[in-house]
Amino acid sequence: GESVGLHLPTLSVQEGDNSIINCAYSNSASDYFIWYKQESGKGPQFIIDIRSNMDKRQGQRVTVLLNKTVKHLSLQIAATQPGDSAVYFCAENSGGYQKVTFGTGTKLQVIP
Amino acid sequence: DTGVSQDPRHKITKRGQNVTFRCDPISEHNRLYWYRQTLGQGPEFLTYFQNEAQLEKSRLLSNRFSAERPKGSFSTLEIQRTEQGDSAMYLCASSPPRRGEHTGELFFGEGSRLTVL
Repeated sequence: GESVGLHLPTLSVQEGDNSIINCAYSNSASDYFIWYKQESGKGPQFIIDIRSNMDKRQGQRVTVLLNKTVKHLSLQIAATQPGDSAVYFCAENSGGYQKVTFGTGTKLQVIP
Repeated sequence: DTGVSQDPRHKITKRGQNVTFRCDPISEHNRLYWYRQTLGQGPEFLTYFQNEAQLEKSRLLSNRFSAERPKGSFSTLEIQRTEQGDSAMYLCASSPPRRGEHTGELFFGEGSRLTVL
């Protein structure tokens, strides 16, 4: 079946540096790709999404890049802060009612 | 707090017992979802409601699981005859009605953690 997977399970980044979290997907029919952040003991929190006909979208300190040729998605976090420490999930939505399929997550550790 | 509320936050039960979890979505949200998350994994879709109608159930939702949303507001997820493999975090999410595309932005609660001994 369709899957959304991540390249790295853990990423350690120095505070102030930029972080890049990568994700590979297999479902070419996805309408949207989404990034969620999950802090310990909490539910996932929406960060940013990108429609499948776009290749870049920027938010506050975050940028999502989509490369449909190689089915690759990335999340860039500028000037990483300790509060960014969390598990990040890429996800995709190909249903008509926002059924979201999640990958396995990357843990981001910010080193002070 | 006007976010998605789940109760209880933690439940420890013995194998074979029944458990029920409650979810109160954000008030104007008509779509409600249940997910299950095990340690180190991403959330897995279980079921979806639009108002009071249950429109999709995952194959993960065995016949021991039942979800309801009787009045289109809060929802319950019941697990009968619990097994150790049911131990997980059960997450509820909601989303508002949309006239256009569905982007995938869900609003999650903090989850109900189930431990089956």
